[in-house]
Amino acid sequence: NAGVTQTPKFRVLKTGQSMTLLCAQDMNHEYMYWYRQDPGMGLRLIHYSVGEGTTAKGEVPDGYNVSRLKKQNFLLGLESAAPSQTSVYFCASSYANNEQFFGPGTRLTVL
Amino acid sequence: GQQVMQIPQYQHVQEGEDFTTYCNSSTTLSNIQWYKQRPGGHPVFLIQLVKSGEVKKQKRLTFQFGEAKKNSSLHITATQTTDVGTYFCAGRRNTDKLIFGTGTRLQVFP
Repeated sequence: NAGVTQTPKFRVLKTGQSMTLLCAQDMNHEYMYWYRQDPGMGLRLIHYSVGEGTTAKGEVPDGYNVSRLKKQNFLLGLESAAPSQTSVYFCASSYANNEQFFGPGTRLTVL
Repeated sequence: GQQVMQIPQYQHVQEGEDFTTYCNSSTTLSNIQWYKQRPGGHPVFLIQLVKSGEVKKQKRLTFQFGEAKKNSSLHITATQTTDVGTYFCAGRRNTDKLIFGTGTRLQVFP
């Protein structure tokens, strides 16, 4: 089992460009999450999903959109990237509210 | 809103010394989880505490959940270089989302 995978691993964008981060899990988890991690800020929840076709806002949802068309995939979109979105993005999945399994992360730089 | 604070932010210890990180919530929690993130890595689940006053041990790691379910601690006995990383607590109120603390970065000198 691969667990939770994320693509890409690294990306550099210019201000105003768009991109999609892909998260996939093979553990048949219902719940999936997108976090961003910034120095000194810990992990902050952007959006999450409790099942296929459902999404909800987390602590810092502005500037991001998500989709959960398939149970195993959770996409995070940036429509118009801003330098404030420079961060490391982690996807995670879980069985209900139990332990969360994290992907390896995507390091995004917005110039 | 719910906040989860951790102290200290950083801790440097000599190998063999003990280490403790503390987690405090502004609200009563239904449960708390602890994660470890190695440098350059991703968070990895360590343990979940649910009951008031609960104490759990994993080898040299001891986890406690406060009586009021608003604070928690992680204590490492006789640190080793393999303990290096950032330790996060994450608290949940009822069925709400998990809120992560700001983390404590541990550095161990040989």
